[in-house]
Amino acid sequence: NAGVMQNPRHLVRRRGQEARLRCSPMKGHSHVYWYRQLPEEGLKFMVYLQKENIIDESGMPKERFSAEFPKEGPSILRIQQVVRGDSAAYFCASSPLQGAFYEQYFGPGTRLTVT
Amino acid sequence: DQQVKQNSPSLSVQEGRISILNCDYTNSMFDYFLWYKKYPAEGPTFLISISSIKDKNEDGRFTVFLNKSAKHLSLHIVPSQPGDSAVYFCAASFSGGGADGLTFGKGTHLIIQP
Repeated sequence: NAGVMQNPRHLVRRRGQEARLRCSPMKGHSHVYWYRQLPEEGLKFMVYLQKENIIDESGMPKERFSAEFPKEGPSILRIQQVVRGDSAAYFCASSPLQGAFYEQYFGPGTRLTVT
Repeated sequence: DQQVKQNSPSLSVQEGRISILNCDYTNSMFDYFLWYKKYPAEGPTFLISISSIKDKNEDGRFTVFLNKSAKHLSLHIVPSQPGDSAVYFCAASFSGGGADGLTFGKGTHLIIQP
C-alpha cells in the first residue's frame, strides 16, 4: 500500500513565477491536509480538503495561495507570484476519516526554493 | 502565539538509557495529542497518540503520558536506540471546533549517543 505521494520533491522558482505542488493521498483516504514548515519551525496547518470541497482554509495566506482536490487526480497547492518568503517545505497529509481522533499520514514533502 | 511548545530544541541521551521528550500546551480545548518522528528530508512519521480521557498510552518502547491539569505531555523512549535519533514533534487537535488541522510544536532534536 503506497504511502502519501508528493511531487516534485524539490522545486526551484524565480520570484514572480507560479509553483504547483501535487499530493496523492494514501489509497482509501479521502481527506487531505497541507502544512508548511519554515526553517527552524514546526509544521503550520494551511488547509484541509475533501474531494471537491475545501473544508477549512484558516491557515492559508489570503492572497496568492489556493488549493484544490478534484474528483479525479491529486490535490494541488498553487502559489502564484512566489516571493522569497514562500521558500519552505510543504507537506501533505491524508487520513481515512474525518475528525480529530484519526492520525494523519504525511508525504515526504516538497521543498520549494524561490530565487 | 505558540499553542504547543517544545522548550528543548535538542536532547542528547546515551544508547540504552531512557529518552524523555516534553511538550506543553496552552489551549485547554485540545483533546487529542500525537507524537511524530521526522528524519531529514522526509515527512513526519506517526509514532503514538493519546486521547484526553487517558493519562497514559504505551506502544512497545514508546509511552506517552498526559497531565491535563498541567497541560503537559511527555514521550518516553526506553531503551533508546541509535535509530531513534531524529526530530520529534508534539502535535495537538480538538474535536469540537470543526478544524482538523494539527497544531505542532517546533520539535526536539533527539541525539542518541553510542
